[in-house]
Amino acid sequence: SAVISQKPSRDICQRGTSLTIQCQVDSQVTMMFWYRQQPGQSLTLIATANQGSEATYESGFVIDKFPISRPNLTFSTLTVSNMSPEDSSIYLCSVAASSDTQYFGPGTRLTVL
Amino acid sequence: AQSVTQLGSHVSVSEGALVLLRCNYSSSVPPYLFWYVQYPNQGLQLLLKYTSAATLVKGINGFEAEFKKSETSFHLTKPSAHMSDAAEYFCAVSPYSSASKIIFGSGTRLSIRP
Repeated sequence: SAVISQKPSRDICQRGTSLTIQCQVDSQVTMMFWYRQQPGQSLTLIATANQGSEATYESGFVIDKFPISRPNLTFSTLTVSNMSPEDSSIYLCSVAASSDTQYFGPGTRLTVL
Repeated sequence: AQSVTQLGSHVSVSEGALVLLRCNYSSSVPPYLFWYVQYPNQGLQLLLKYTSAATLVKGINGFEAEFKKSETSFHLTKPSAHMSDAAEYFCAVSPYSSASKIIFGSGTRLSIRP
């Protein structure tokens, strides 16, 4: 299995600011994903982070609000831009190698005031 | 489009009793099905997955699930509940592979009574 770390683990931010979340995995993986879990809700896929190309966003999520980078096969970042209280959520990255199982990181708990 | 429906947002059982968490799926293609568990203030951990091999899938911590195509169900069971099983459980489906986009159910919170 892959060992995934996320930074920061939690943060409290002011409205209108941006936060960049990092996801690091201990081995090269084919696929990396970013999910959002709003308070008391299930997980929703934001986008697939593609190595060397633009991320693939799900319906309802746009690049201007959630820019994603993936410079290599072990690292990705998600930025939450121009934050509002509605962005308060847990953001999780997940990874998968080839056709293997998808593993999830510990999550970043974001509170926007 | 693929989706999963979890019946019951909250299930409470006594310690030592049978655990049954229900999940029904909708998929136009043979699905990949999963159960994940989320302990308080932690990330998700895979309990088990179905990938078109055996219909009875055994997972970690004594959990198992049975894929029933005729009922489009993938219910999660454990013969004897333990206090440490208290957590949020998510059923999920992927239409392509176990390493592709996953669609999650709404979750079921399992409580264990002493």
